[in-house]
Amino acid sequence: QVQLQESGPGLVKPSQTLSLTCSVSGDSISSGGYCWTWIRQPAGKGLEWIGRICSSGSTNYNPSLKSRVTISVDTSKNQFSLKLSSVTAADTAVYYCARRGPNWGSSAFDVWGQGTMVTVSS
Amino acid sequence: QSVLTQPPSVSAAPGQKVTISCSGSSSNIVNNYVSWYQQLPGTAPKLLIYDNNKRPSGIPDRFSGSKSGTSATLGITGLQTGDEADYYCGAWDSSLSAVVFGGGTKLTVL
Repeated sequence: QVQLQESGPGLVKPSQTLSLTCSVSGDSISSGGYCWTWIRQPAGKGLEWIGRICSSGSTNYNPSLKSRVTISVDTSKNQFSLKLSSVTAADTAVYYCARRGPNWGSSAFDVWGQGTMVTVSS
Repeated sequence: QSVLTQPPSVSAAPGQKVTISCSGSSSNIVNNYVSWYQQLPGTAPKLLIYDNNKRPSGIPDRFSGSKSGTSATLGITGLQTGDEADYYCGAWDSSLSAVVFGGGTKLTVL
């Protein structure tokens, strides 16, 4: 059974870079047909898709965040990562990593991490 | 302002049926698959429906999905108090080249 676990600092200063890692267990991150995704949710608000990296190596980012976001994969560690630069208080949220199901529709995330709270504050 | 539009809240009595709508456009719902999620308080979203009307393994058939034109609908029958949660729809948006979500619907089981 595949499991995802987010890790990273819970507090980031304004203007700095938010860095999170998602560790994948139970399967190889290189397995074909999957896309590895970051989604966030500010307190009391809805879901916001940040971006993804697929097994083909292709990436897609939310246009509203594209200039600040990088998602990458480390196959040797079976992990994928999120970097969000120049953060502000508006980036405070619970950050989830998720897996899009095997060759399913692009919005079908069948496995989720538990989420990690990131606060942007000085 | 979410790209997909959902009602903020719906309610129904235990044992009854409820539907939650998700309205979009030709760039998302019409031409791409729709997914539905259930989010219980303090937990990660859980996939209920994918590819418009398919249920992942372990999801009971009380949950169903459908799509027509620019709208999609989640149906829940035999409502239970444990179904009280926030529900989200999602779809790929071809114009944005991004996944978009609805703003969420809070289901209350009276």
